[in-house]
Amino acid sequence: DGGITQSPKYLFRKEGQNVTLSCEQNLNHDAMYWYRQDPGQGLRLIYYSQIVNDFQKGDIAEGYSVSREKKESFPLTVTSAQKNPTAFYLCASRTYSNQPQHFGDGTRLSIL
Amino acid sequence: GQQVMQIPQYQHVQEGEDFTTYCNSSTTLSNIQWYKQRPGGHPVFLIQLVKSGEVKKQKRLTFQFGEAKKNSSLHITATQTTDVGTYFCAGLTGGGADGLTFGKGTHLIIQP
Repeated sequence: DGGITQSPKYLFRKEGQNVTLSCEQNLNHDAMYWYRQDPGQGLRLIYYSQIVNDFQKGDIAEGYSVSREKKESFPLTVTSAQKNPTAFYLCASRTYSNQPQHFGDGTRLSIL
Repeated sequence: GQQVMQIPQYQHVQEGEDFTTYCNSSTTLSNIQWYKQRPGGHPVFLIQLVKSGEVKKQKRLTFQFGEAKKNSSLHITATQTTDVGTYFCAGLTGGGADGLTFGKGTHLIIQP
C-alpha cells in the first residue's frame, strides 16, 4: 500500500528537550511538507522541501528544523526553542506543484 | 503574503439542511483545492478547481471557482451525519513560493 507514515502517533516532550517526528512516504513524491494544526484551527506551514537536500522555511519555522537526506523521508525536529509545541503535526507530500497533497495520520505532541 | 479567508468558522445545521462555506483570497489563485478533515483525522483531498468560473459536482457536493479566481465555495445539499468534519480550502498562487495556503476551515456540526 502506498502512503505516508507518520510516527509516533502520540509524543510527549519534557521541558528543554528536542524531539523528532518521523515522516516517510513511498509514493515517490518529490515535495514534502510539515504543517502545524492547533485545536479548532487551520493548517500552518512549518517547512517544505521540493527536492532532496533542499528545504525552505514556511510561515512558522522558528523553533523547528528539518532535513531531507532521502526522497522518502522528511523528519521534523521540534527544538527546545519552540516554547509552545503542543499541537497536531501533519506531514504531507505531492508529486508536482498543482497536484493535491496527501497527508499522513499526524502526530500529537504534548508537553509533560 | 497571500491570505485565504474562510467563513463561517462554525456552522450548525439540522440533518437534511443545506450547508455552504466560502473562501476568499487576497490574491489571484492559479487553482484552489478543497479538503475534508473528519474529527481526529487528517485532511483528505476532495477536489481541485483550475478554470475561471468552474463548477464541479460530487454527488451532493457542488464546488465553484469565481470568475476572478479569487473566491470559491463548497455547497452541500441535504447534509447527512457523514458530512460532519472541517472543510478547508487551499489556494495555490502559482508563483515562486511552493505550498498551499490553507483557510482556517469551516467546522460543520450536524444535529440529527
